[in-house]
Amino acid sequence: GAGVSQSPSNKVTEKGKDVELRCDPISGHTALYWYRQSLGQGLEFLIYFQGNSAPDKSGLPSDRFSAERTGGSVSTLTIQRTQQEDSAVYLCASSPPGVRSTGELFFGEGSRLTVL
Amino acid sequence: QQPVQSPQAVILREGEDAVINCSSSKALYSVHWYRQKHGEAPVFLMILLKGGEQKGHEKISASFNEKKQQSSLYLTASQLSYSGTYFCGFHGSGNTGKLIFGQGTTLQVKP
Repeated sequence: GAGVSQSPSNKVTEKGKDVELRCDPISGHTALYWYRQSLGQGLEFLIYFQGNSAPDKSGLPSDRFSAERTGGSVSTLTIQRTQQEDSAVYLCASSPPGVRSTGELFFGEGSRLTVL
Repeated sequence: QQPVQSPQAVILREGEDAVINCSSSKALYSVHWYRQKHGEAPVFLMILLKGGEQKGHEKISASFNEKKQQSSLYLTASQLSYSGTYFCGFHGSGNTGKLIFGQGTTLQVKP
């Protein structure tokens, strides 16, 4: 597809269950980001992947959160033992090489997670 | 550390001007500005690099003062389509593409 694709678009789960959120970046984009946006709030940085370098995990809120990126393309964000405070929209973005100079992140439509 | 944006919210009439400010406590390499309309993904507006440059996009322009570690977004003769939440984002001075956003400024333009 032409843009960043995220799935599922909506996920309702019970407290304590594990969830996986998927992100397909734009082909050729070397950088991939995950952000979390709680209702009416800002964009909270979670994790950043750049090519084959070790990811910057400094924004992950707890060890229940993890992410991987396979083959430099698709990424999966996993939340274990979900809590109600994990309810939010999880946004994925990708960018081509040279993001520090060119700047543009392309965002997906997000995965809305609701933990009951 | 998260950039600080001000004001948190602005209400304007069509045709009025607005300024959104963004500041950091750390040295900056570049500043990004994004706009997010309700229920949609954020969309890139512009990036400003070190050097104090200004940029424009439609009637929206921005400046970056790296000495003060501040950026300002100027919306001139606002239109209804400018409504949304504006985010500034910073790359730090290290060699990283990690981008941290401010908490956002909600702009509402009324007829």
